[in-house]
Amino acid sequence: EDQVTQSPEALRLQEGESSSLNCSYTVSGLRGLFWYRQDPGKGPEFLFTLYSAGEEKEKERLKATLTKKESFLHITAPKPEDSATYLCAVQGYSGGGADGLTFGKGTHLIIQP
Amino acid sequence: NAGVTQTPKFRVLKTGQSMTLLCAQDMNHEYMYWYRQDPGMGLRLIHYSVGEGTTAKGEVPDGYNVSRLKKQNFLLGLESAAPSQTSVYFCASRPSRKEAFFGQGTRLTVV
Repeated sequence: EDQVTQSPEALRLQEGESSSLNCSYTVSGLRGLFWYRQDPGKGPEFLFTLYSAGEEKEKERLKATLTKKESFLHITAPKPEDSATYLCAVQGYSGGGADGLTFGKGTHLIIQP
Repeated sequence: NAGVTQTPKFRVLKTGQSMTLLCAQDMNHEYMYWYRQDPGMGLRLIHYSVGEGTTAKGEVPDGYNVSRLKKQNFLLGLESAAPSQTSVYFCASRPSRKEAFFGQGTRLTVV
């Protein structure tokens, strides 16, 4: 069974204060690891897909990295508009299973001006 | 390009009532999913479909039924609603081995 654990559950930063969010996972063969952003009352919005250990993706102030056991979402010099819940999900070769994404519970990020 | 559209956006049901949630996507995606999101639980997969005419159970399928008669539509039904089904429901679609795109959600309250 695929499992995803995100930490911390909540994080409060000052504007400009860089930090990282963690996503630890166990899968029976990784087909892809996904990062999403979710604003209150909205559906998850896709950010990145990572497929293999060592891969990195960047978008504005966000950078996602992947190892064989975990992924990090690095936030550099964040702004208040980066406040949201960040979700990590994996898709594994679960064979006969859901073929859907298994999500972590998310990290609620607040950036204070 | 509307993406993934869910209707309705809000609904209040009485225990025992039935309803259908509609998900429509205009991206010609093969895969479609229904998730529920509850505080402290994250997103959990209810049912999914890998193509027109197919459906399969996810992690939490009890109390729900689905149908995919047309490729662009995926319906989620509650035959006899229970308070435990109070949740926010999200539909998602994706092409094979790519990221999923989510709708804006349906907030359902069962009283």
